[in-house]
Amino acid sequence: QKEVEQNSGPLSVPEGAIASLNCTYSDRVSQSFFWYRQYSGKSPELIMSIYSNGDKEDGRFTAQLNKASQYVSLLIRDSQPSDSATYLCAVSGGGADGLTFGKGTHLIIQP
Amino acid sequence: AAGVIQSPRHLIKEKRETATLKCYPIPRHDTVYWYQQGPGQDPQFLISFYEKMQSDKGSIPDRFSAQQFSDYHSELNMSSLELGDSALYFCASSLSDYSYEQYFGPGTRLTVT
Repeated sequence: QKEVEQNSGPLSVPEGAIASLNCTYSDRVSQSFFWYRQYSGKSPELIMSIYSNGDKEDGRFTAQLNKASQYVSLLIRDSQPSDSATYLCAVSGGGADGLTFGKGTHLIIQP
Repeated sequence: AAGVIQSPRHLIKEKRETATLKCYPIPRHDTVYWYQQGPGQDPQFLISFYEKMQSDKGSIPDRFSAQQFSDYHSELNMSSLELGDSALYFCASSLSDYSYEQYFGPGTRLTVT
């Protein structure tokens, strides 16, 4: 049984600060790792994907993967109020496998 | 950019009725996935298709079936609906390249009364 664990929050961060979101997963054979942002009542929006150990940066977002520790994180720099949402960590075995999601971290950016 | 299209966006059915949800993937995407998200829950993977063949199977009830057609669109058929089937149903699509990044459609909100 694949499990993905996230702190549900809420995580409150001042505007302009760095928001740090964490995720651990149980299945060692997991190959693909994703972060999605979901606003209430809307569909998940892909923010970052990462497949190998290390950091991957895209604009204000940095994803970090450590397969030995089975740990994935997402850093959001210069946090904006519009970043307030639920952030879902998702893991798959690769290929056309379905995603296993964590329960999400509710992030609040305080103006 | 074109996104995943789902129809209908909202659907109200009574218990024991049937429902069919449709999904049109992003152009050139050849893989589709179905997810169910209950209130306050994370999305749960149901089933996926690549080139019209079932690729992976998750927690899809036996009352549900799905298929992918030659134009890559997909349909999720739900029979003997129960109150607990009330949820948001998302379709996602991806390219069968190295990334298989999944892009989600807007969802169909199914209410069973």
